[in-house]
Amino acid sequence: AQTVTQSQPEMSVQEAETVTLSCTYDTSENNYYLFWYKQPPSRQMILVIRQEAYKQQNATENRFSVNFQKAAKSFSLKISDSQLGDTAMYFCAFRSGGSRLTFGEGTQLTVNP
Amino acid sequence: DTAVSQTPKYLVTQMGNDKSIKCEQNLGHDTMYWYKQDSKKFLKIMFSYNNKELIINETVPNRFSPKSPDKAHLNLHINSLELGDSAVYFCASSHFLPGAGGTEAFFGQGTRLTVV
Repeated sequence: AQTVTQSQPEMSVQEAETVTLSCTYDTSENNYYLFWYKQPPSRQMILVIRQEAYKQQNATENRFSVNFQKAAKSFSLKISDSQLGDTAMYFCAFRSGGSRLTFGEGTQLTVNP
Repeated sequence: DTAVSQTPKYLVTQMGNDKSIKCEQNLGHDTMYWYKQDSKKFLKIMFSYNNKELIINETVPNRFSPKSPDKAHLNLHINSLELGDSAVYFCASSHFLPGAGGTEAFFGQGTRLTVV
């Protein structure tokens, strides 16, 4: 069974600075997909970024980028130029084949003015 | 247009009652899910349907019964509600096989169930 671990329950960052959220996972699969979802106080689950395991290039979406280390089974999220609206719970998630999304425990990120 | 829509958003009910949560998606996905988010925000899969067939049934009390009348709808009925059922319930949908059609799951806005 796949497991996803986020070892930082809470993090904070000053507005305009950069923060990195950590995620590790365990799987015996070779082909899979990794995601970061954001859950603001509104409760909505919003996809931030996705990474296909077969792609070596790290995914980037505007201020959000990932550092995907397949051998180390590590998938961290970097948020540049943090904004107040980035304050949310961030979930790392794993999916392979026809299976469900498996989530990590989440990291509560607070952006301070 | 709302991609995944679940109703109601809030549900407050007494112990012992029976309640239902409805979910609909207009994304053309063939797979739908129910997730439970507990008070510590942990998201755990409960059920999954692919083309109206149950494919995932995690260890959930049999008071919880999902029903999928077609691949665009997945409802969750809960009998004899207990205090411990209080949580946020999320419906989600995706393509069964990740690929050109997309890899991620899309979520509804969640239903906060409070049992008193």
